[in-house]
Amino acid sequence: GAVVSQHPSWVICKSGTSVKIECRSLDFQATTMFWYRQFPKQSLMLMATSNEGSKATYEQGVEKDKFLINHASLTLSTLTVTSAHPEDSSFYICSATTGYTGELFFGEGSRLTVL
Amino acid sequence: AQSVTQLGSHVSVSEGALVLLRCNYSSSVPPYLFWYVQYPNQGLQLLLKYTSAATLVKGINGFEAEFKKSETSFHLTKPSAHMSDAAEYFCAVIHILTGGGNKLTFGTGTQLKVEL
Repeated sequence: GAVVSQHPSWVICKSGTSVKIECRSLDFQATTMFWYRQFPKQSLMLMATSNEGSKATYEQGVEKDKFLINHASLTLSTLTVTSAHPEDSSFYICSATTGYTGELFFGEGSRLTVL
Repeated sequence: AQSVTQLGSHVSVSEGALVLLRCNYSSSVPPYLFWYVQYPNQGLQLLLKYTSAATLVKGINGFEAEFKKSETSFHLTKPSAHMSDAAEYFCAVIHILTGGGNKLTFGTGTQLKVEL
């Protein structure tokens, strides 16, 4: 099956720094990628949808200046958490799809801890 | 807008017993429905999906789900639970976006515990 890889799996950073998380589709071209945030013992909350070459569409309540999403190619999307604070600590998961009603393939997730 | 509701945030069964995880959907159009499993500190793995073909869908690891339009349900079942089934399970519905593409909305999840 299609593989989506996230990097890094774990990251610890100091408050005020920026952190970049990469999401790569390894063996297919992802027309659309999604970024989710998951709090402990809770469901996934969609943050934004990104299509290759265009600006990401953010869900209501998600700060676009805080969570910068770039989808520069059909195999790579990045999420940058800018000026991170402890409340940004969370599990971030990306997913990618190949088409209109295509199955979503999920990355392994990236756990961010902001000290 | 499409949505799903999972009844029961925690379900506990004995090993070898039937697993039943409940999911009800709300949709103004024929829905595409999914069940995903998440193990600790990992991403999501697709168990099965319903895309308007057969109403009884068989997935991986012995799981299956039945789409019942009259009950707006898509419950996940497994005849005999195994210890390795302990995980978080999410029901999800897909939105088909205007102009193409799709967006997945998840239920709140059900934590399955399997006891000896």
